[in-house]
Amino acid sequence: DQQVKQNSPSLSVQEGRISILNCDYTNSMFDYFLWYKKYPAEGPTFLISISSIKDKNEDGRFTVFLNKSAKHLSLHIVPSQPGDSAVYFCAAEKRGSTLGRLYFGRGTQLTVWP
Amino acid sequence: EAGVTQFPSHSVIEKGQTVTLRCDPISGHDNLYWYRRVMGKEIKFLLHFVKESKQDESGMPNNRFLAERTGGTYSTLKVQPAELEDSGVYFCASSRPDRGQAFTEAFFGQGTRLTVV
Repeated sequence: DQQVKQNSPSLSVQEGRISILNCDYTNSMFDYFLWYKKYPAEGPTFLISISSIKDKNEDGRFTVFLNKSAKHLSLHIVPSQPGDSAVYFCAAEKRGSTLGRLYFGRGTQLTVWP
Repeated sequence: EAGVTQFPSHSVIEKGQTVTLRCDPISGHDNLYWYRRVMGKEIKFLLHFVKESKQDESGMPNNRFLAERTGGTYSTLKVQPAELEDSGVYFCASSRPDRGQAFTEAFFGQGTRLTVV
């Protein structure tokens, strides 16, 4: 069963506007949530993370929000740039189980157009 | 510092053949993971090595898959015999030893795209 879900396979946003990518999870034992970014023919690269005890983490143009009661997180990119066009994967990690094992969603293809 | 490298980048084989994928992790990274992404689906965990020891292989689909990590350095993933449903992109990732830090970033290779025809 899929424990991390990204229900939007694609998102198209104009340059300069905000991109909001969503992710839902089912397992309340997750300790960390991460976003990875993937360009074609490359591996995923880490973008930003948030601990389950926080509700927000910000890094430059990227902010991740966590709503534990709703088991929902989102990634905000402001302002969006054409170079942000990539597949974004939401992932989660459980400490206490296999160290570093990540549970991924299916990804959301973000396209930022000029 | 060199990143995680995987060989080959693409492989096309016939059903029933054998294929071996290789992963060279970042030097000093004790943790090595294999993941697979079947087209359009999520990236799924296959197994985890700490140095040369398998810590968790619960994600391996069946006994046609065999992973090894010689001397705790590079790792291989062999599929024998390959079936059509084995097609997908196989990713390797590595991370530093656990020193009790809250979060350990995993670095991914570019992946091997396996097509079984």
